[in-house]
Amino acid sequence: EAQVTQNPRYLITVTGKKLTVTCSQNMNHEYMSWYRQDPGLGLRQIYYSMNVEVTDKGDVPEGYKVSRKEKRNFPLILESPSPNQTSLYFCASRGLASSYEQYFGPGTRLTVT
Amino acid sequence: AQSVSQHNHHVILSEAASLELGCNYSYGGTVNLFWYVQYPGQHLQLLLKYFSGDPLVKGIKGFEAEFIKSKFSFNLRKPSVQWSDTAEYFCAVGAGSYQLTFGKGTKLSVIP
Repeated sequence: EAQVTQNPRYLITVTGKKLTVTCSQNMNHEYMSWYRQDPGLGLRQIYYSMNVEVTDKGDVPEGYKVSRKEKRNFPLILESPSPNQTSLYFCASRGLASSYEQYFGPGTRLTVT
Repeated sequence: AQSVSQHNHHVILSEAASLELGCNYSYGGTVNLFWYVQYPGQHLQLLLKYFSGDPLVKGIKGFEAEFIKSKFSFNLRKPSVQWSDTAEYFCAVGAGSYQLTFGKGTKLSVIP
């Protein structure tokens, strides 16, 4: 089954404790992206990757890092989480030939206290 | 850069009422347009999309949307909503780059 998976689905952590949210897709998609969803703000892009070892900032990259060492994986790293990073995070992927249509993961709800 | 505006933050309808959710975008060139739906507690799912051709596109679950180029609009419609349509709806535009730009979303509550 074609899918985007994220882990963990729920995470409660404390300020400053480094964490990683994993994202994996099995569709051989070149493009992967991370979004955060906040009430009244919709989805805002954090980082995206056009292919292995190619990443770039989205609209709200501050406080986040990403890496793309393998085509299928695109982890989101919070080196020193802060309460304003409490949010719902979605990973998405698409093939570069598929005209923007993206497939979304199930989401990770992160709470930073 | 493109931007997307969704006119309504929260829409409340009774079952069987007709639905129209507004979406306007700003971009002067060729666009690809999407509506995504997010049911409570779930991830975003594609409802319908427009790339080219017939400006009236039909999606899943009886939804349709009309692309009006002169108005930079891509409004979502459904003739008769059901309680199960309660969800948040996002309009998105892909244009000029590889990124999708999302609107802020419209919450739809359908009252039985």
